[in-house]
Amino acid sequence: AQTVTQSQPEMSVQEAETVTLSCTYDTSESDYYLFWYKQPPSRQMILVIRQEAYKQQNATENRFSVNFQKAAKSFSLKISDSQLGDAAMYFCAYSPHRDDKIIFGKGTRLHILP
Amino acid sequence: DTGVSQNPRHKITKRGQNVTFRCDPISEHNRLYWYRQTLGQGPEFLTYFQNEAQLEKSRLLSDRFSAERPKGSFSTLEIQRTEQGDSAMYLCASSSPRGSRTYEQYFGPGTRLTVT
Repeated sequence: AQTVTQSQPEMSVQEAETVTLSCTYDTSESDYYLFWYKQPPSRQMILVIRQEAYKQQNATENRFSVNFQKAAKSFSLKISDSQLGDAAMYFCAYSPHRDDKIIFGKGTRLHILP
Repeated sequence: DTGVSQNPRHKITKRGQNVTFRCDPISEHNRLYWYRQTLGQGPEFLTYFQNEAQLEKSRLLSDRFSAERPKGSFSTLEIQRTEQGDSAMYLCASSSPRGSRTYEQYFGPGTRLTVT
């Protein structure tokens, strides 16, 4: 069975600093899709960044970047220059196909300290 | 385009009652997903539709749960004989605009169900 594990239930970072959220997953597939979603308090889930497993290059979106280690089945999210608006639950997620159900981790709550 | 909408946003019901939730996806999105999120957990997949066809149902979806997407537009999720364990946030997402290769799932605000 495919699983996603986030081992950090909560993290804190000073505003303007960099923080890395960890994620590991388990799958026997060779092609799949990985995501980081952000869920702000009382607001809806939005996609932060995605990575196709067949691509070796790590995805980046402005201040957000990933470290995708396929052999280790690791997919961490780095947030640079943290801002107060980055405070949210962050979910690491996996999908076996391009447009298919998503399997989520339990989430990491990120606090931004002013 | 106003995004994915869900109604009602909150529902309080007594155990044993039936409830129905509605999801309106982004127009032109072929796929529609239902997830359930309990407190402190990530969303769990329940079921999804490609147009009006229900393609997959999770084992989490007991016989008391039924979902429809008539005409491939909005979808409803019905829970019969609700139990306290059904208390959760029910999330809807849509994806795959017709003619597009993008596949991002856009989530609605959710319906929070409380069973007393």
